[in-house]
Amino acid sequence: NAGVTQTPKFQVLKTGQSMTLQCAQDMNHEYMSWYRQDPGMGLRLIHYSVGAGITDQGEVPNGYNVSRSTTEDFPLRLLSAAPSQTSVYFCASSTRTGYYYEQYFGPGTRLTVT
Amino acid sequence: DAKTTQPPSMDCAEGRAANLPCNHSTISGNEYVYWYRQIHSQGPQYIIHGLKNNETNEMASLIITEDRKSSTLILPHATLRDTAVYYCIVRDLYTGGFKTIFGAGTRLFVKA
Repeated sequence: NAGVTQTPKFQVLKTGQSMTLQCAQDMNHEYMSWYRQDPGMGLRLIHYSVGAGITDQGEVPNGYNVSRSTTEDFPLRLLSAAPSQTSVYFCASSTRTGYYYEQYFGPGTRLTVT
Repeated sequence: DAKTTQPPSMDCAEGRAANLPCNHSTISGNEYVYWYRQIHSQGPQYIIHGLKNNETNEMASLIITEDRKSSTLILPHATLRDTAVYYCIVRDLYTGGFKTIFGAGTRLFVKA
C-alpha cells in the first residue's frame, strides 16, 4: 500500500491564481480530511468527507472547495489564491476499527502564494 | 470535542524517560484520548490512544488519571529521533478521526 499520497510536494502561486491539490489513498478508507499548518502552529481542519459524494466544512473552509467523487480521491481546490493561504497542506484518511479511528496523514504539500 | 492543554515545550536527556502531560478537564464519557506526533515537516503520526485504562504499545505508554481529566504520555527511553511536536487530542467516538482538532502541542527536544 502507498498509503496517503499528495501531489505536488511544492507549489508557488501568484495571488489570484487557482489550483488543485491532489490527495489519494489506497486503503479503502471511508473518511478523508484536509488540514493546513501555518509556521509554528498546529493543524487546522479545512474540509472533510465521510464518504464518496459527502463533504462538509471544518474550522477554516473559506477560499477552498472540495469534492469526493470516488473513495480514493479527495482534491482540494484553491479558488483564487491569497498570500494568507501560504501554508503546508496535509491530507488524511481514516477508518473506524472497533471503538477507535486509525488516521493516516500524507507527506504534505508546501504552498507559497506571492 | 473537549479542549486539551499542553506545555509548549519540554526537554529530555537521551536515554531517559520523557513524560508529556496533557490536561483535558472537560472530557466526556464517550471521548477517547489520542496522542500523535509530528516530526519536522512530516505529517502527524499516530502513537497511542486510550479511554480510561493505562495503555502500552511498542512506541509509548499512556497513563490516564482515574477521573480522566488528565493524562501523561511516556516515552520510556527517549532517543534523538523522538524530537518532535506531540499532540494530545480528545476525540468523540462517533465523529471520530475525520474531524480531529489539533492544538499547538508540546515541542519535545531530546538532547544528547
